Amino acid sequence: GESVGLHLPTLSVQEGDNSIINCAYSNSASDYFIWYKQESGKGPQFIIDIRSNMDKRQGQRVTVLLNKTVKHLSLQIAATQPGDSAVYFCAENYRRGGADGLTFGKGTHLIIQP
Amino acid sequence: DAGVIQSPRHEVTEMGQEVTLRCKPISGHNSLFWYRQTMMRGLELLIYFNNNVPIDDSGMPEDRFSAKMPNASFSTLKIQPSEPRDSAVYFCASSLGWRNQPQHFGDGTRLSIL
Repeated sequence: GESVGLHLPTLSVQEGDNSIINCAYSNSASDYFIWYKQESGKGPQFIIDIRSNMDKRQGQRVTVLLNKTVKHLSLQIAATQPGDSAVYFCAENYRRGGADGLTFGKGTHLIIQP
Repeated sequence: DAGVIQSPRHEVTEMGQEVTLRCKPISGHNSLFWYRQTMMRGLELLIYFNNNVPIDDSGMPEDRFSAKMPNASFSTLKIQPSEPRDSAVYFCASSLGWRNQPQHFGDGTRLSIL
């Protein structure tokens, strides 16, 4: 049934392990994707982006994978640290009605256990 | 480097009152976005500007909401009259260019309408 409010999926990972956060996007015409991290009481913080002409991009301890065939995006965080605990959002950008805009996913709550 | 600056950080007011939220984008960024975040609906784009001109306001919930960008370093989001259902966290973001560029967020204004 339909849940009241956003029931965020939660991913619990041991400190030092790698984590993978998944996201299904909605529009096959989307050509740009971003991952954001949001800590309590703060705004979303840019982590990494990827354009649709790529299928992988690496940053510092993070890797984003894009599978356009199944409209799937993932964020891999290597050697997780306590400071990685946050809500992670994927966002897609596509043109609608002649204008661009980011559409955000519902988010995943990442918990790092000591 | 100074990020996106929003004020006030918190606002509590009674329904029917006018509310004005303020945003100073990152210097040099020419696109500015207003978002609203609630538990029910997540992050939603309200309106965005490019070079101080409103491009897409289709996310603005109703006529009680208005936004202006009188110059490149300042924008306001106004709600008049305010209603309890407007309670949310309002974020401002800016980017260098309006298409396929990472948006950088402020820490938001937490608005409570009693």
